[in-house]
Formats: sequence, structure tokens, C-alpha cells
Amino acid sequence: AQTVTQSQPEMSVQEAETVTLSCTYDTSESDYYLFWYKQPPSRQMILVIRQEAYKQQNATENRFSVNFQKAAKSFSLKISDSQLGDAAMYFCAYRRMNRDDKIIFGKGTRLHILP
Amino acid sequence: ETGVTQSPTHLIKTRGQQVTLRCSSQSGHNTVSWYQQALGQGPQFIFQYYREEENGRGNFPPRFSGLQFPNYSSELNVNALELDDSALYLCASSWGLDTQYFGPGTRLTVL
Repeated sequence: AQTVTQSQPEMSVQEAETVTLSCTYDTSESDYYLFWYKQPPSRQMILVIRQEAYKQQNATENRFSVNFQKAAKSFSLKISDSQLGDAAMYFCAYRRMNRDDKIIFGKGTRLHILP
Repeated sequence: ETGVTQSPTHLIKTRGQQVTLRCSSQSGHNTVSWYQQALGQGPQFIFQYYREEENGRGNFPPRFSGLQFPNYSSELNVNALELDDSALYLCASSWGLDTQYFGPGTRLTVL
């Protein structure tokens, strides 16, 4: 069975600094997607970034980038120039490719932005 | 905003009652997935509907059931409510197996 592990329940970063959230996963599949979702207090789950496992290039979306290490099954999220609006729960998630499929989420990391 | 809407926003029920939660998918999406998010946890997959048929189910008992309508909106029904059913229920819509976009959720409290 596939699992997603986030080992940092909470993190804090100073505004304008850079922070990295960690995620590891376990799967025997070769084709899959990895995601980072953000859930602010409003509860809306917002897609931050998506990575296809077959792509070697790390995905980037503005201030958000990932470090995808397929062999190590590691998928970290780097947030540059942190802003107060980045404060939220961040969930790492996995989904098999080309299947019916459910998203498997980690337990989340709560990110605090210090002004 | 994703274009996925859910109703109601909040709901309070008592043990043994039945509840129906609703989800309107984003325009152009034909697949709806439902998730249960207990406090302090990541969402857990309940089931998925594709073109009105159940297309995958997580580890939830049969008292969790659903429907998808011809306009691709969906309902989640839970019978014989238990205290542990208290959670945030999220629906997500997608075009087939493409990226899922989430609604704002329904907070269910079972007393």
C-alpha cells in the first residue's frame, strides 16, 4: 500500500525567508503524481504544485518549488520569500497515474509565518 | 476559488441519524471524489464517482453511500451516524483522472 509521511508537524519561518517542508512516500508503482496542497483556516484545499514522476525536472510555481528525488522517494516543498498569506496546513499527497484513483495524503505540516 | 461548491457549510446531527451532503462540481468536470478529514489529520478517500458510476472506494463501511447526477453534481449519504463521523467532508472534482480541485468542505458534528 502507498503511504505518505510528513515528519514535521509544525514549522515556523520569518517573513521573507525561505522554508522547506519535507515529505517521503512509499510506493511500488513507477508512474504517479505527487502534490502539495495548502489548507488555510478557511478549510479550502488549494493545489500548490504538482509533479509527474516521469519528469526529471522539478516543478516550479512562482515562489514554490519542489525537490523531487524519485530513487529516495522524497518530495520536499521550498517556499521562497515567505509571506503572511502562506500560513496554512500543507499536505503532501500521492496519486497513481492512469488509475481510478484516490489521492493519499500525509498528516500535514502546519506552517507559521513570523512577521 | 475552484468553482467546486458544497452545501451545507456546517451541520449538527445526533447519533443514529442520517445525513446528506451535496457537491457541485466545477464546470466541465465529470468526476467527483469524496474525502473525510478528521481533526488534525489529512483527508481520507471515501469514494469516487465517474459518469454516475462508483469508480473506486476507500476503507469506509456501506453506511457511507453516494450518488452522481447527470449534471455531475454529487451527494454523500451517511446512515446511522456515529460520533467518529464528526469531520470535515471534502469533495473534489476533476476531468477524468486529471487534477482534483477541492470544494470548501462541510463540517459535520455528531452529538
